[in-house]
Amino acid sequence: GESVGLHLPTLSVQEGDNSIINCAYSNSASDYFIWYKQESGKGPQFIIDIRSNMDKRQGQRVTVLLNKTVKHLSLQIAATQPGDSAVYFCAERSSGTYKYIFGTGTRLKVLA
Amino acid sequence: GAVVSQHPSWVICKSGTSVKIECRSLDFQATTMFWYRQFPKQSLMLMATSNEGSKATYEQGVEKDKFLINHASLTLSTLTVTSAHPEDSSFYICSATGLAGPGELFFGEGSRLTVL
Repeated sequence: GESVGLHLPTLSVQEGDNSIINCAYSNSASDYFIWYKQESGKGPQFIIDIRSNMDKRQGQRVTVLLNKTVKHLSLQIAATQPGDSAVYFCAERSSGTYKYIFGTGTRLKVLA
Repeated sequence: GAVVSQHPSWVICKSGTSVKIECRSLDFQATTMFWYRQFPKQSLMLMATSNEGSKATYEQGVEKDKFLINHASLTLSTLTVTSAHPEDSSFYICSATGLAGPGELFFGEGSRLTVL
């Protein structure tokens, strides 16, 4: 079934520190993964993606790490800023489809 | 980046009425559109996958007669919540994928439905 949770886990980080948000995915056949950021009352925004033939990809201030052995994805945000406060979701796509399944999400709170 | 527009962004309706939500891809052709539902403090739940010109594929547990999806063109998909009830109140989000990127999903801003 689709991912449904009773509440979102929260990560609180001091401004300027690095943040690491984790995601466990379910399907070993997933070949493409995306991290999204969602601010309150808005739709998700694309942050960074990674294909299953890679284990690391870097963007501007963000890095995604993929460990296929344990089906784990992480998003690292360097020098976290107040504007990074949001809910972060990982999404996995099954190989050969356009169907994406979202993880439960993590709320990131940046403390001033 | 590609833009997906949703309308209306919020709507309030009376119980028993039907509500239509539009999802448009503004600068690319969306071969596939998805409709998600999101409850407060929860993740996005995929409701259905819609391909232009064909019937939508609904996820298990989603009532196709309740949530009517029409993908009449490569730039427009609509979700109609029929005979709405208060439990249908939710945040509905569409996304689209197409020729614009390597499988990346582009999301609309969402539509908040409140059924009184």
